[in-house]
Amino acid sequence: DAGVIQSPRHEVTEMGQEVTLRCKPISGHNSLFWYRQTMMRGLELLIYFNNNVPIDDSGMPEDRFSAKMPNASFSTLKIQPSEPRDSAVYFCASSTNRLLAGGRNEQFFGPGTRLTVL
Amino acid sequence: AQSVAQPEDQVNVAEGNPLTVKCTYSVSGNPYLFWYVQYPNRGLQFLLKYITGDNLVKGSYGFEAEFNKSQTSFHLKKPSALVSDSALYFCAVRPDNNAGNMLTFGGGTRLMVKP
Repeated sequence: DAGVIQSPRHEVTEMGQEVTLRCKPISGHNSLFWYRQTMMRGLELLIYFNNNVPIDDSGMPEDRFSAKMPNASFSTLKIQPSEPRDSAVYFCASSTNRLLAGGRNEQFFGPGTRLTVL
Repeated sequence: AQSVAQPEDQVNVAEGNPLTVKCTYSVSGNPYLFWYVQYPNRGLQFLLKYITGDNLVKGSYGFEAEFNKSQTSFHLKKPSALVSDSALYFCAVRPDNNAGNMLTFGGGTRLMVKP
């Protein structure tokens, strides 16, 4: 398996523009997580989906952020409009709670998207 | 709610010496505990996990961790550090009743191994 795939790997945009980050989870995984990592705030969970349904979005910072998972193999995180303080590395991770090793499997992370908002 | 504390922002160790990266946790019920490593400009990589059974868990790259229920700790250890072990290490926990595998991460500890 290719692992979790994220695109783009790098994104530079100007303040006010819409940004869309994409994630393809590992095939067969049914949980998907979006994280943000900055020097100041460390690693933050933004939202997670289970079986394509958003379960906990309490980490989404503002209404400017939205996430969707239209099917089991694709998710997007959108920021509209973007602001300089959104600059960070955004990670997607996937996992499964199906009966493998007792259904208590670890999360697998993608390589991240480095977002710079000017 | 669960939480994880990594009390050291940075750990410095000489190559060849043993290393310990500390982690303590708080969770309702039985904990599932994880360690991840992050190399520069990379995503987090799974190192090892404790679910049940033997308190000493062995993982990738010669790392191991010991679950101590009375001290609510899960310290990461390696008998002999390598310069290539220099990276950012994260401890994470989830309660055993969380079906969605949502993890709570600690703030991370930067390990610096000097030649």
